[in-house]
Amino acid sequence: AQSVTQLDSQVPVFEEAPVELRCNYSSSVSVYLFWYVQYPNQGLQLLLKYLSGSTLVKGINGFEAEFNKSQTSFHLRKPSVHISDTAEYFCAVSDRGSRLTFGEGTQLTVNP
Amino acid sequence: DGGITQSPKYLFRKEGQNVTLSCEQNLNHDAMYWYRQDPGQGLRLIYYSQIVNDFQKGDIAEGYSVSREKKESFPLTVTSAQKNPTAFYLCASSIFPAPADTQYFGPGTRLTVL
Repeated sequence: AQSVTQLDSQVPVFEEAPVELRCNYSSSVSVYLFWYVQYPNQGLQLLLKYLSGSTLVKGINGFEAEFNKSQTSFHLRKPSVHISDTAEYFCAVSDRGSRLTFGEGTQLTVNP
Repeated sequence: DGGITQSPKYLFRKEGQNVTLSCEQNLNHDAMYWYRQDPGQGLRLIYYSQIVNDFQKGDIAEGYSVSREKKESFPLTVTSAQKNPTAFYLCASSIFPAPADTQYFGPGTRLTVL
């Protein structure tokens, strides 16, 4: 069975500061990894995904994530955040089936 | 514009009543999914359908039912057997039921049982 752990439930940062949202996963097989963003009272939107190849994945809105197989991690980073990045971020994993398993989410709050 | 629509956005029901949540997509996607979101628990899969007239239980299917009579529609019924139905419900779809495929989400329906 696969599982996802997001290590921080809330991350407050100041505008223009860098941010890292941490995600660890467990699975007995090779996986595909995703980061989604959810703005208040809305659905989820894909930020980026890792399928294979380069371990550094670039996504929308200046976000990137690095896949680390030895540490079973897929941390999300942005070098300089904006107020508009305030949202909840979800890490998800998919194995050979078509089901996504989501983490509990990390609330990113960007303060002026 | 292509996308996923869920209606209504807010829904109130009395305890013991069944209620059906609508999900429609015009993306021509084969696969559709229903998730439940509770604060601090992420998203949990209720049911999913890989093709018309077929669906499978997810992790928390008890107290819910679905149908997939048309490719574009995947309604979810929350029955009176669901012990704690108040939650935010999200519908999603993907082109194929493949593990690498991106799932596209609707705006959600917030159900409150009084």
